[in-house]
Amino acid sequence: DAKTTQPTSMDCAEGRAANLPCNHSTISGNEYVYWYRQIHSQGPQYIIHGLKNNETNEMASLIITEDRKSSTLILPHATLRDTAVYYCIVRVRNNAGNMLTFGGGTRLMVKP
Amino acid sequence: SQTIHQWPATLVQPVGSPLSLECTVEGTSNPNLYWYRQAAGRGLQLLFYSVGIGQISSEVPQNLSASRPQDRQFILSSKKLLLSDSGFYLCAWNLQTGASTEAFFGQGTRLTVV
Repeated sequence: DAKTTQPTSMDCAEGRAANLPCNHSTISGNEYVYWYRQIHSQGPQYIIHGLKNNETNEMASLIITEDRKSSTLILPHATLRDTAVYYCIVRVRNNAGNMLTFGGGTRLMVKP
Repeated sequence: SQTIHQWPATLVQPVGSPLSLECTVEGTSNPNLYWYRQAAGRGLQLLFYSVGIGQISSEVPQNLSASRPQDRQFILSSKKLLLSDSGFYLCAWNLQTGASTEAFFGQGTRLTVV
């Protein structure tokens, strides 16, 4: 299983872009990169995912390096409500189920 | 649209008492179902997952068990709670087909064992 490495915590000023890095150097060719976030005392929320191309949706952008060994989640204009723990996950696949394995994540603090 | 319901939202139980947490999914069929636990200030730990009725896989041996009596119902149980069972329990589902389907989480149950 590919593992991910993320910084434990980051700060970002309100209104500025938040760039959250993730290393996944052992990722396999058929594994996707997923990002979720968890606001305090709530269940995780899906943000975005990608395989090798950069992706963008209404919440964020995902930039994946050409060798796929790392990626960056970009929140273009962070707000106070974006304060949460952000999880970078490389999706595990097996014969029985499509499990998600969560690491420690990055605690993003958006400050006014 | 699909929804996931998890209850109760909070629960305080004495040591040695039984536990039953229920999770139901609406608007989809034959989902994968998961139970996660999050201890205070820690990451999410996968406890159980199920790919079908009566099919349960355990990730971590412990004081808990899971059952799936119906396609969209997933139950987490314990016969005798321990203090270490305290935590935030989350149910989740995703589709079995497709390479990149995201998972959807319930709002969680905060269990305090006293």
